[in-house]
Order: sequence, then C-alpha cells, then structure tokens
Amino acid sequence: EIVLTQSPATLSLSPGERATLSCRASQSVGSYLGWYRQKPGQAPRLLIYDASNRATGIPARFSGSGSATDFTLTITSLEPDDFAVYYCQQRYSWPLTFGGGTRVEI
Amino acid sequence: QVQLVQSGAEVKKPGASVKVSCKTSGYTFIAYYVYWVRQAPGQGLEWVGWINPNSGDTKYAQKFQGRVTMTRDTSTTTVYMDLSSLTSDDTAVYYCARSFPYSSSNWFDPWGQGTQVTVSS
Repeated sequence: EIVLTQSPATLSLSPGERATLSCRASQSVGSYLGWYRQKPGQAPRLLIYDASNRATGIPARFSGSGSATDFTLTITSLEPDDFAVYYCQQRYSWPLTFGGGTRVEI
Repeated sequence: QVQLVQSGAEVKKPGASVKVSCKTSGYTFIAYYVYWVRQAPGQGLEWVGWINPNSGDTKYAQKFQGRVTMTRDTSTTTVYMDLSSLTSDDTAVYYCARSFPYSSSNWFDPWGQGTQVTVSS
C-alpha cells in the first residue's frame, strides 16, 4: 500500500499569509494525487485533483503542484475559512490511501 | 444540485452489524460510483470501498473484506453499507461520497454529511 506522509503536522499562520503544505508518497503516484479540506465538524471537500486541477467552485488562491512522489498545496492568501485540516489522497493504486493531515491554525 | 444524505447515528454492541444508507439526488444515479470513507475519532480518513450503482459491482479495501457489503437500490437512488462483526475499532464517522469528475475517477466530491457509528457494550 502507498503511504502518504504530510508535513508539517501543524502550520500556524495569520489571515492573508501564504500556506505551503507538502505530501510525500512512498512510491511514485504519477500525477494521481488530490487534496481535501476538512473544516471542524464537516465532511471533507475536494480542492485539487490529478495534482493540479481545481475542483468545481474552488477559488484560484488554491493551487497544486508536483509529480511522482513530491506534491505541494499552496494557498496564496489565507482566509478565515481556510483554517482547517488538509488531507492528500492518491488514486494510483489500491487501496486508495490518504495522508495523515496538516492542520492549518491561526 | 448534487446531494448525498446519510442516515442517522447508530449505537451498536460489539459483534453486531450496522447498515448505513446514503440517499443521492441531483444527478444520474447509475452514472457515478459511490465510495465509503471512515474517520475514527480525532483520526484521519480511511477508504472502505466503492460500489458501481449501474452494475452493482463492488471493491472493498482488503482490511474490510468479509465484513463489509455495499448494495444499491436504483428505484430510490440509495446506496447502503453494511458492516458486520463490529468492534470498538469500528467506532467512527462513516461518509459516502460520489465520484468526481467522471464515473469512476476515484476522487470524492461531494460527500454526505457523515453517520456516527458507535460500538460500545
């Protein structure tokens, strides 16, 4: 099974600042990596799929990059809604797996 | 709009089974896979399996093989997940989610609101 390692575990930033989140895969997943945001008490929401494609309705401040084993989610200017937990997920092989999450806190 | 609405919270005893429903609307039911993902308290996300509502075909994570069954009812556009031989380790919020952006893409969006399953003696 492919293990996804996210770093850092926690990111402490202020509104308006830039956030850079990392996801590293234990083996190549090509470009088959996605990102989700989960606000407290809510279901996750897809932000980015296939490494760099924004999902429906996702604002341009979210961008994804990377390939093979190293991926990055960038949020250019944090808004209050963005203080949440972010998960990466791979769809390259079974079982589908998620990273352990990065908490972005104020 | 696309919606997935799940059944309410459940409390079960160890060894029992639980059946969670996921009522879908706002799209062509048979055109998109539906997935189940769970989240234990304070933990991350874990993929459980998927069902193809068109054929009824399923695929389960090996960890749940033999204990999980996913079914669908095309007349009510509802998907079900049945998990048996419950232990305290199965205490979690269970989510259903639709495939995005196409039928079997293995990306999940949107999600249901989640169903809390608590296993306790």
